[in-house]
Amino acid sequence: KAGVTQTPRYLIKTRGQQVTLSCSPISGHRSVSWYQQTPGQGLQFLFEYFSETQRNKGNFPGRFSGRQFSNSRSEMNVSTLELGDSALYLCASSLAGQVTDTQYFGPGTRLTVL
Amino acid sequence: AQSVTQPDIHITVSEGASLELRCNYSYGATPYLFWYVQSPGQGLQLLLKYFSGDTLVQGIKGFEAEFKRSQSSFNLRKPSVHWSDAAEYFCAVGATGGSYIPTFGRGTSLIVHP
Repeated sequence: KAGVTQTPRYLIKTRGQQVTLSCSPISGHRSVSWYQQTPGQGLQFLFEYFSETQRNKGNFPGRFSGRQFSNSRSEMNVSTLELGDSALYLCASSLAGQVTDTQYFGPGTRLTVL
Repeated sequence: AQSVTQPDIHITVSEGASLELRCNYSYGATPYLFWYVQSPGQGLQLLLKYFSGDTLVQGIKGFEAEFKRSQSSFNLRKPSVHWSDAAEYFCAVGATGGSYIPTFGRGTSLIVHP
């Protein structure tokens, strides 16, 4: 069974631009979560989608948004990029997003904002 | 609010030596606890988790962890470390019941000397 895939793996943008990251979950998984990982703040929960609906959201500004499609694939968008948005963005999928479900992580997208 | 503390930023051990990585949590009730490993350039992989029952939990790759309620700890152990265990290790806590919105510790970087 294929794992969680994220595209692109690396991305360089400049301040003020916007970016879209993509995540394809494991087949059969309906929950997709996104995380931001930085040296300064560590791993932080961004949001979680289940059945095309955002079910949970972390403490991030509205510039961070996402969506989920009917095939459970998810995209994350960051508008008006800031230098501080440089990070590794991780996507994880699970069957139903419950705390008892095992989350499987993708390799991440490394975003650099110049 | 839940929180996780990993007191050791770096730990260095010799190959074949035993390992213990510390994790302390703060949560109002019995938490759900997790240990993840992240190899360079990779996403996170779940090593083990504790929900209830036996306080000694066995995981993959020969790791185990012990939940100690009186000390609010969930330390990760391995009797004999292999060079391939060199990685970043994250402890996480999730609220009991409902969706999985983890709070991660800042991580401990394990360095293994030959």
